[in-house]
Amino acid sequence: DVKVTQSSRYLVKRTGEKVFLECVQDMDHENMFWYRQDPGLGLRLIYFSYDVKMKEKGDIPEGYSVSREKKERFSLILESASTNQTSMYLCASSSIRWDRINEKLFFGSGTQLSVL
Amino acid sequence: SQQGEEDPQALSIQEGENATMNCSYKTSINNLQWYRQNSGRGLVHLILIRSNEREKHSGRLRVTLDTSKKSSSLLITASRAADTASYFCATDAGSGGSNYKLTFGKGTLLTVNP
Repeated sequence: DVKVTQSSRYLVKRTGEKVFLECVQDMDHENMFWYRQDPGLGLRLIYFSYDVKMKEKGDIPEGYSVSREKKERFSLILESASTNQTSMYLCASSSIRWDRINEKLFFGSGTQLSVL
Repeated sequence: SQQGEEDPQALSIQEGENATMNCSYKTSINNLQWYRQNSGRGLVHLILIRSNEREKHSGRLRVTLDTSKKSSSLLITASRAADTASYFCATDAGSGGSNYKLTFGKGTLLTVNP
């Protein structure tokens, strides 16, 4: 079975801490994504990556950075965690067609991050 | 910004009834996808419909796409209590450098009562 694995299911951090969220996929997918999900706001795209070392900003990149040193791993970094970054973080991956259109996304189980 | 918007926000039905959820979007798309999310978990892909398709079936699911109205609907027939979940539509609308991202709506919370 295909798998997207997020390193932590629950995480509690202090304001100002640097936080790393890790995501690994075993499907050799080109694309990887980080979303955050908040009640009433749905899923919002933070960053995505279409190749190793390549990244593009999503709709809400402020306060976040990402790293993709290997194809299977995509890390989300909160440089200095703040309480408004308390959220569910979802990682996903997908392959793309010859014309660069996304196929379906495979999601991890999510990381519920609380910043105190 | 969110491309797709689901309607209704919440839907409560009895087991055995059909459930219909709608999704509207703003710009032309390459494809539209529907996902399901059980409480507190990741999303699971249900069905993908391409911009040149009008209808697609998968088991008890039927999806339609009307590109002239920029809308899609998801029909779940003969619903079961286990169908209780949030349902999201996602659109792939990019060209050039923005090809790669899928934009999600806020979701419809479906409750199927036994």
